[in-house]
Amino acid sequence: EAGVAQSPRYKIIEKRQSVAFWCNPISGHATLYWYQQILGQGPKLLIQFQNNGVVDDSQLPKDRFSAERLKGVDSTLKIQPAKLEDSAVYLCASSLVLAGGTDTQYFGPGTRLTVL
Amino acid sequence: QKEVEQDPGPLSVPEGAIVSLNCTYSNSAFQYFMWYRQYSRKGPELLMYTYSSGNKEDGRFTAQVDKSSKYISLFIRDSQPSDSATYLCAMSESYGQNFVFGPGTRLSVLP
Repeated sequence: EAGVAQSPRYKIIEKRQSVAFWCNPISGHATLYWYQQILGQGPKLLIQFQNNGVVDDSQLPKDRFSAERLKGVDSTLKIQPAKLEDSAVYLCASSLVLAGGTDTQYFGPGTRLTVL
Repeated sequence: QKEVEQDPGPLSVPEGAIVSLNCTYSNSAFQYFMWYRQYSRKGPELLMYTYSSGNKEDGRFTAQVDKSSKYISLFIRDSQPSDSATYLCAMSESYGQNFVFGPGTRLSVLP
């Protein structure tokens, strides 16, 4: 079974520039999550999708961050304009979230963003 | 006070030691508790998943949840150098959503 795919793996930009990250979840996984992990900290949930609908985006800085999940499969996360404090690893995860089962999240390798 | 706190680490132990990793939390509504392992430059992978209080064992790993004390633990028996990683606890109130992670504890198991 293929895992969660993310691209690019690394990105370096200057502040005020725009950047986009892409995620392809495990086939059949209806739920998709984007996390921000700052160095030395645990992942922080930015947004959660169920199919192509948003379940939770309470911690997404909506003035500069946006995300979409077209057709309930792939997802993109965009930052516009980037700030220095956005330097972090952006992790994508997916899960089945079956009733009565475990909601195990499978994480991708992440995109490491450096904002100069 | 942060919602989820972990022992700061880093933690270094000799191969074969028993390792204890701990998290405390403030939200009494958390019901689902997880431990993840994260190798350097990789995404986290789920190790243990527990609902409510109690113990769960899987091979060399044992997870304990004490909701009355708002305290969870992960024990690793017969630790191996391959266990060297950052260990993250995570918890949620609702099934499948609103996951909150701790900051992680870095573990090094020395051969």
